[in-house]
Amino acid sequence: DGGITQSPKYLFRKEGQNVTLSCEQNLNHDAMYWYRQDPGQGLRLIYYSQIVNDFQKGDIAEGYSVSREKKESFPLTVTSAQKNPTAFYLCASSMLGRSPDTQYFGPGTRLTVL
Amino acid sequence: AQSVSQHNHHVILSEAASLELGCNYSYGGTVNLFWYVQYPGQHLQLLLKYFSGDPLVKGIKGFEAEFIKSKFSFNLRKPSVQWSDTAEYFCAVKGNTDKLIFGTGTRLQVFP
Repeated sequence: DGGITQSPKYLFRKEGQNVTLSCEQNLNHDAMYWYRQDPGQGLRLIYYSQIVNDFQKGDIAEGYSVSREKKESFPLTVTSAQKNPTAFYLCASSMLGRSPDTQYFGPGTRLTVL
Repeated sequence: AQSVSQHNHHVILSEAASLELGCNYSYGGTVNLFWYVQYPGQHLQLLLKYFSGDPLVKGIKGFEAEFIKSKFSFNLRKPSVQWSDTAEYFCAVKGNTDKLIFGTGTRLQVFP
């Protein structure tokens, strides 16, 4: 069953703690993305990666970090430096070289900072 | 910078009414355009996309969108909505960068 999985579905964190969100895809897609979704603001790009061991900052990268050690995995760490981390986080992937470059999304992780 | 505007933030309709959701973008070059839908409790899924050819694009569940280059618009339409169309709808554009730029979304509520 091909797709994108994100875990956990819900995550609670105390202020000052780092937390890592998982994203895995078995679609053999080259590129992976992390977005943050807040009510009334749409989706905003945090980080993206087009190839293993390489990634680029999106529009709101401050307070976040990522790694891309394997093609199928793109974990996101929300650090204590992120001032307002409570949000819904979406991971996506796409196959590069095809037109258009269509992104497919995982089910999301809802992070709440207590 | 590329941007996307969705003018309708919240739309309320009765079943069988016609739907048109506005989407405008601000990029003068070649664009790829998308509409995504997020049903309550479900994944964000692709509704339809345009990259070239016929500017009238048909998607899933009876939705269609028309690319009007002169107006920088890609409005979403459906002739007769159903209660199951209740969802949040996002327009997105990809220009000459690696990034997909999303609008702020339109929340559609359909009442029986």
